[in-house]
Amino acid sequence: GQQLNQSPQSMFIQEGEDVSMNCTSSSIFNTWLWYKQDPGEGPVLLIALYKAGELTSNGRLTAQFGITRKDSFLNISASIPSDVGIYFCAGQLLGTYKYIFGTGTRLKVLA
Amino acid sequence: SAVISQKPSRDICQRGTSLTIQCQVDSQVTMMFWYRQQPGQSLTLIATANQGSEATYESGFVIDKFPISRPNLTFSTLTVSNMSPEDSSIYLCSAGQGQGGNTIYFGEGSWLTVV
Repeated sequence: GQQLNQSPQSMFIQEGEDVSMNCTSSSIFNTWLWYKQDPGEGPVLLIALYKAGELTSNGRLTAQFGITRKDSFLNISASIPSDVGIYFCAGQLLGTYKYIFGTGTRLKVLA
Repeated sequence: SAVISQKPSRDICQRGTSLTIQCQVDSQVTMMFWYRQQPGQSLTLIATANQGSEATYESGFVIDKFPISRPNLTFSTLTVSNMSPEDSSIYLCSAGQGQGGNTIYFGEGSWLTVV
């Protein structure tokens, strides 16, 4: 199935550090969504982006919809141990209703 | 947001059998989707469940293997037919209001192990 390129694939960081991850594609998207998945759980929506250039925050999380509509990034500031998990981007393809997912970023926070 | 419930949450299945997963949404939604997440992998879209008509399948997924029903705007089922160990995955139902700035939400998933 089609998937978005997401990087980094995994990262270890120290508690208190900032984290950045991104998704890129050759396709154009209507909407970008960012999710976090904990072990044994379904993905939980973190942030939704609806317009090119849009910058949205949710607490320590900030995400942006790329101006070309082909990419998005997610930043986490001052990471804490509970930020551990897998983060996925999802893009809604232009002209469709469906979402495709990024390959995921596995985040591990060292206390 | 929509609250999505899936049943079963987990099951161990014998190869060659079929299992039907149910997805219930707490409100009427336009779009319902089924995803598969193989161990350690990302989510792959299986199909869009269309209310009152046949589901729209993605490349690599066929109706004979993954029949889907959607009798109304709050409920859908996915059947995994003639299971093999390669079908061991998490199957996730998602729902949303569709195009034009709308999000999709997920259930907790159904964790299937085929032995």
